[in-house]
Amino acid sequence: EVQLVESGGGLVQPGRSLKLSCAASGFTFSNYYMAWVRQAPKKGLEWVATISTSGSRTYYPDSVKGRFTISRDNAKSSLYLQMNSLKSEDTATYYCARHYSSYIYYFDYWGQGVMVTVSS
Amino acid sequence: DIQMTQSPSSLSVSLGDNVTFTCEASENIYGFLAWYQQKLGKAPKLLIYGATNLEDGVPTRFSGSGSWTNYSLTISSLEPEDIATYYCQNNHVYPLTFGSGTKLEIK
Repeated sequence: EVQLVESGGGLVQPGRSLKLSCAASGFTFSNYYMAWVRQAPKKGLEWVATISTSGSRTYYPDSVKGRFTISRDNAKSSLYLQMNSLKSEDTATYYCARHYSSYIYYFDYWGQGVMVTVSS
Repeated sequence: DIQMTQSPSSLSVSLGDNVTFTCEASENIYGFLAWYQQKLGKAPKLLIYGATNLEDGVPTRFSGSGSWTNYSLTISSLEPEDIATYYCQNNHVYPLTFGSGTKLEIK
């Protein structure tokens, strides 16, 4: 059974940093592109980052480019999101998600999400 | 960036209804369209990919259609467990973009 379990969320002050983790199991992690998708309270879904199988390629929307960094450790079947210079508008539930394949970009499995609150 | 416009934003429905809602892309996405269902407090769940393909395990009362820029999701004979918010997603090109969702509510 595919499982994605996020951790590392919490309350953080504006301008500070936070690192999220996602532990994957039930599939060969190194074979899949992975992503982070977020959802602000009572809002819709926003794609945040994608990483290739080896980690050599990463993709971001303009809203987080230069502030967020996605990475992975295939030996540990783990995905990460380093978030720097956090803003109040980054407050959201962050989901770890698996891409169906390297060239098909929908998400076939999602974690349960972790909440990040950016506030002073 | 490709904008995804969903309508309506909410829909009041009765159990047993046939329901259709739409998603319009700002440019041709060549059928690279996915639909997700999100129940309150839960993670999204993939329903449809490639505009028309039903994900394994999804009931056959769900169906997708469309091409170019216009897509739709239909639920035939609405069941209580279908009450949720539904999102479409452009998965043709980066940045990957979602519609703002259609929320189903019981009349």
